[in-house]
Parts: sequence; structure tokens; C-alpha cells
Amino acid sequence: GAVVSQHPSRVICKSGTSVKIECRSLDFQATTMFWYRQFPKQSLMLMATSNEGSKATYEQGVEKDKFLINHASLTLSTLTVTSAHPEDSSFYICSAPHTGRTLAGQETQYFGPGTRLLVL
Amino acid sequence: DQQVKQNSPSLSVQEGRISILNCDYTNSMFDYFLWYKKYPAEGPTFLISISSIKDKNEDGRFTVFLNKSAKHLSLHIVPSQPGDSAVYFCAASALNNFGNEKLTFGTGTRLTIIP
Repeated sequence: GAVVSQHPSRVICKSGTSVKIECRSLDFQATTMFWYRQFPKQSLMLMATSNEGSKATYEQGVEKDKFLINHASLTLSTLTVTSAHPEDSSFYICSAPHTGRTLAGQETQYFGPGTRLLVL
Repeated sequence: DQQVKQNSPSLSVQEGRISILNCDYTNSMFDYFLWYKKYPAEGPTFLISISSIKDKNEDGRFTVFLNKSAKHLSLHIVPSQPGDSAVYFCAASALNNFGNEKLTFGTGTRLTIIP
């Protein structure tokens, strides 16, 4: 099946530094990728939609200048957490949609393994 | 505003018995529903899904039931196995203004299967 990878799997950084997280679709092209954030014991919250060749669309309440998204190619999207602070510590997950909707009970998005960010 | 709710944060079930996980939603625009299994520090793993035009979908030990009028869906796992112990997320899907599929997740239910 399709695979989505993320790098790094975990990162520890000092407050004030910027961190880049990569999301790659390994055997399919994705014009759209999604970035989620999960706080401990909470749901996955959609942060933004990454669009190849155009600007990302951000969900309400997500600072676009804080979380920079670049969809560099049909297989790569990056999320940069700029000037990271301890409250940005979280688990970040990306996903890429499968080829359109199906009605056959199939998966519609493939998720990456996630990136654990810890800001000291 | 939590549009997808899983009111039971945890559930314990004896091995071999049926596990029933519930999910409620409020947005009538949702037309596709999915269940994911998740381990700590890993991405969600897809289990099963159902379109709003159906009321049941079965795949092996997993069955999802959808009651559109009640805006309720449930995941049945039978027989439950120790390897089923994980956090289960319900997700609902709708197309956003750009034609992209947007998933809204519930808060999850931690299922523990007791040997």
C-alpha cells in the first residue's frame, strides 16, 4: 500500500530556534497533504492543508507565520515551526489523500508516522 | 466546538468478547466516516470506513454501523484480542471549499483487552 514518511521522527530543540519537519509520499504523488497536531490525550487537530504549487490553507486559529508550510514537489511537503517555544511541543502528523473518494469502504488518506517535537 | 465526539475515554473488555466503541457527530455535511487505531508516538492506522449511503460495513472482525438520523456510528470488534488494545479514533470527512477532503477527529477511546 501507499506509504507516507516523516522526518525526523523526534526532535528536541531550544526555545527560539526553528524546526523543519518533512512529509514525503513514497510511492504516489500528492498534490495535497494535511498537517495535524496532537496534544497528549487529545484528538488530532487539522492545522493546515498543503497545496502543491500554491499557498497552504490554514485552519482557524493556526498562525501561518508561525507554522510555515511549503509543498515543494508532488511528493514533499515541509512544516517549519518558527521560533519554537515550549508550548509548541507536540506530536505532528502529516497525511496525504488517496486517489479521490471511494465508496467501497477504503481508506481515503494515508498518515505518516508522526514527529515528536520537544522544545526546551 | 467538538463536531465529532467519543464520549467514552476508555473501555475495558475481556478477551474474546465484543468491543463496542461509539462516536457521535453534529455536522450533517459529513458524508464519510472512518475508524483509526493509534499507538503512542505513531501515526493513525486505518481500520474501516463507511459511506453515508450505507448503514453497515464489515471487514473481518471489524464492523462499523452508521445511524444517520441519530448522527451516531459505532465500531464493533469481535472477538476482541489483546492486540486490539490501543486508542481508537473516529473521524468524519467532508469536502472543504477547495474540494479537498477534510478529516475531523474525535477525542479517542482507549481500548484495553483483558486476557
